[in-house]
Amino acid sequence: DVKVTQSSRYLVKRTGEKVFLECVQDMDHENMFWYRQDPGLGLRLIYFSYDVKMKEKGDIPEGYSVSREKKERFSLILESASTNQTSMYLCASSKGDSGEQYFGPGTRLTVT
Amino acid sequence: ELKVEQNPLFLSMQEGKNYTIYCNYSTTSDRLYWYRQDPGKSLESLFVLLSNGAVKQEGRLMASLDTKARLSTLHITAAVHDLSATYFCAVETQGGSEKLVFGKGTKLTVNP
Repeated sequence: DVKVTQSSRYLVKRTGEKVFLECVQDMDHENMFWYRQDPGLGLRLIYFSYDVKMKEKGDIPEGYSVSREKKERFSLILESASTNQTSMYLCASSKGDSGEQYFGPGTRLTVT
Repeated sequence: ELKVEQNPLFLSMQEGKNYTIYCNYSTTSDRLYWYRQDPGKSLESLFVLLSNGAVKQEGRLMASLDTKARLSTLHITAAVHDLSATYFCAVETQGGSEKLVFGKGTKLTVNP
């Protein structure tokens, strides 16, 4: 079974803090993705990566950055957290030639 | 730009009834995915539809894809309470990017 894990299920941070969300997959998938999910807005793609050290902006990259130093790990960074970044963050991975994505359990981030 | 529209967004139905959820998309794509999300949980893959005319069935759920009409349906037969969840369709963007664009989801409630 594909396993995608995220470092925290729940996180509370203060405005202005730097926040790291970690995602690890154990199936040697090439592609990794970060989404945020908000009520009424569905899933929106923040960043994705096709390979180590490669990254591409998604639909809403502002206020975020990412890092992929190893194939199995994809980190999402909030440089200076703001209250409008309070959300559920979902990480996903997929094989290089497949669109089927496997999701992690999610991190519910609250910024106060 | 690929847009994905699901309807209805909310569906309340009685046990034993049949219903269909629709997923329309705006530009050419041959690959479509259905996911299920239980409250507070992550997304779980239900169906992978990879070509025109594809039909997949699992229990009381059946999904189909008509790429010419840019339409997928998720049909529920004789609903049971355990099917209560939010269902998302996701369409793969063209050009081999493996990116998915998600619909806003259909929240299904099955009442006894």
